[in-house]
Amino acid sequence: QVQLVQSGSELGKPGASVKVSCKASGYTFTSYVMNWVRQAPGQGLEWMAWIDTNTGNPTYAQGFTGRFVFSLDTSVSTAYLQISSLKAEDTAVYYCARGRNPDYWGQGTLVTVSS
Amino acid sequence: QSVLTQPPSASGTPGQRVTISCSGSSSNIGSNYVYWYQHLPGTAPKLLIYRNNQRPSGVPDRFSGSKSGTSASLAISGLRSEDEADYYCAAWDDSLSGPVFGGGTKLTVL
Repeated sequence: QVQLVQSGSELGKPGASVKVSCKASGYTFTSYVMNWVRQAPGQGLEWMAWIDTNTGNPTYAQGFTGRFVFSLDTSVSTAYLQISSLKAEDTAVYYCARGRNPDYWGQGTLVTVSS
Repeated sequence: QSVLTQPPSASGTPGQRVTISCSGSSSNIGSNYVYWYQHLPGTAPKLLIYRNNQRPSGVPDRFSGSKSGTSASLAISGLRSEDEADYYCAAWDDSLSGPVFGGGTKLTVL
């Protein structure tokens, strides 16, 4: 069965970096794009970017360039989100989700930014 | 501010029918399929409806979706306590080249 398993919660200090992983199984990784979606505290779902799993080329939503890096390791069917120069407003749950119109989602990774 | 517009809350009593609306524009709902998700805090969002009105296997037929023009709606009939969750609509947006979401509707079963 299709599964997206994300890495555990992260606590980062302002200015530091964190990297979240999303390991896919149960399907051919390169057959679907991978999305990243953010949910800030008390807020709804916000699309950040999707990455073409064949080329590694990301398409970004406005506001998610620069400090946000989306990457892949197709050899282990894993997508990554790295956030650098952390700010308090990056505190959120980050989800990976499969497909142009997402069908399967990871369980979410809580990133907390605090000194 | 979310690209798609949903009411922040909805409620009903067990057995009732409730509907949740989702409003968009010509670049998203008006020209692409609508998807609906059920989200319980701390869990992965679950796909409820795809391609406007199709249910994945395992989703009860109490859940139904429809679309007209630039709006869509999710109907839940025979409301049950376990339906209490947040519900999100989504659609591909041709202008943004990505999926867009509604702000979510918190459904309370009274």
